[in-house]
This record gives sequence, C-alpha cells and structure tokens, in this order.
Amino acid sequence: DQQVKQNSPSLSVQEGRISILNCDYTNSMFDYFLWYKKYPAEGPTFLISISSIKDKNEDGRFTVFLNKSAKHLSLHIVPSQPGDSAVYFCAASARAGGTSYGKLTFGQGTILTVHP
Amino acid sequence: GAVVSQHPSWVICKSGTSVKIECRSLDFQATTMFWYRQFPKQSLMLMATSNEGSKATYEQGVEKDKFLINHASLTLSTLTVTSAHPEDSSFYICSANSIWANVLTFGAGSRLTVL
Repeated sequence: DQQVKQNSPSLSVQEGRISILNCDYTNSMFDYFLWYKKYPAEGPTFLISISSIKDKNEDGRFTVFLNKSAKHLSLHIVPSQPGDSAVYFCAASARAGGTSYGKLTFGQGTILTVHP
Repeated sequence: GAVVSQHPSWVICKSGTSVKIECRSLDFQATTMFWYRQFPKQSLMLMATSNEGSKATYEQGVEKDKFLINHASLTLSTLTVTSAHPEDSSFYICSANSIWANVLTFGAGSRLTVL
C-alpha cells in the first residue's frame, strides 16, 4: 500500500518558468511533510517542510502548499533553474503520535528537468 | 550544518558473503539513525530504526537476522548484510537526527551489487 504517491514520474520545464511537483497521501495520521531533492549517486537533501497546522510554507524560490482535506501537497519552484534538475521526493511522517519524525514514508519521486 | 558520512559508497560482492556499511554523523551526536533501501525506480523504504545502545526496530518484512544493525555509539551505526544474494542488490541510505536537529540528514548512500 503506497501511502505517499507522486503520480508524475517526470516533469520538464523551461528555465524561468514555474515547476509544480505534486504529492498525494492516504494516511490521515501524517502531520508533517517534507520535500527532498536528490542528485544521482547522492543522498537526499532536505528542501522544505510543512506542518499540518499550516497550509503554506515559503523559502526563497520554494513554496510548499498543503491541502489537508484533499490529502495533497505540492512544491512550487519559481523561477526554475537548470540546477534544479534532480529527483524530488515528498515524504511524510506522523509526529504527533509520538513516533520519531525520522520514520518517513517516501513517495516514488519525480524527475525534474529544467531546460535552459 | 549536520553531515552524515556513509561508507563505502559502492561495493560489489559475491553471493553468500557479508557486507558492512557504516553511517557516521560527523559533527553531531545522532541519538537515532535510520536505514532506508531504494530499489530502482522505487521510493526509499525504511528498513529499521537504530537507537544508540539498544536493539534496532525493524519494519515489517525486513529480516533482522539478515540485516544486522549495530548502533554502538552516538556517531556510528552499521548495517551488515549477511549472506548477501543478488536480490539484496540495492541502494542503502542512512539518515540521522540529533536532539537539536529539526530535520533528518541523509548520507550519500551505498550502492550494493551482489554477483
């Protein structure tokens, strides 16, 4: 049972435009969500996170939106740059239940390619 | 910032041998370390949670006798794949958090290929 899903395996965007990466989840116990970026042969690098008490969190060019009723979150990158090309994973955890937030459930990842 | 070092970055071994992968937190004490596995084109799957000085907690379906985890100190956790077989070939990634850290820090991963 895939509790976190990224239904788009890949996304191609022109430099300067907006990249929107989507993620859906099924477990209503999830209350903390993260986005990670991963280059080949490297470990995931933390990008941005959002708690379920918020619906938006912004950090520079990266904004994460959370729609709890739809169990959907998205990552917006504006403007997109060629260096943003990587695999993006969304992840979720259930922190409020006392479970360590390190116990993350990951989506399958979306390959983002930003063309110059 | 917090750095997690993982070694080796890649290893090739013969079927039936054992392989040890180390995960070190370089500039912080990691109370908990997590071991993930990623098969090609799949998501990272949590294998086990490793707490310093105690037994690891394994996820359902992960064989504790096959994947031995030792967290002997606050800066080192090891994963030993015992009697490795080709189906164990995967990308193994560790992550660590500290008492003060707000997010996990991941290692660069270890690519295991079992011939």
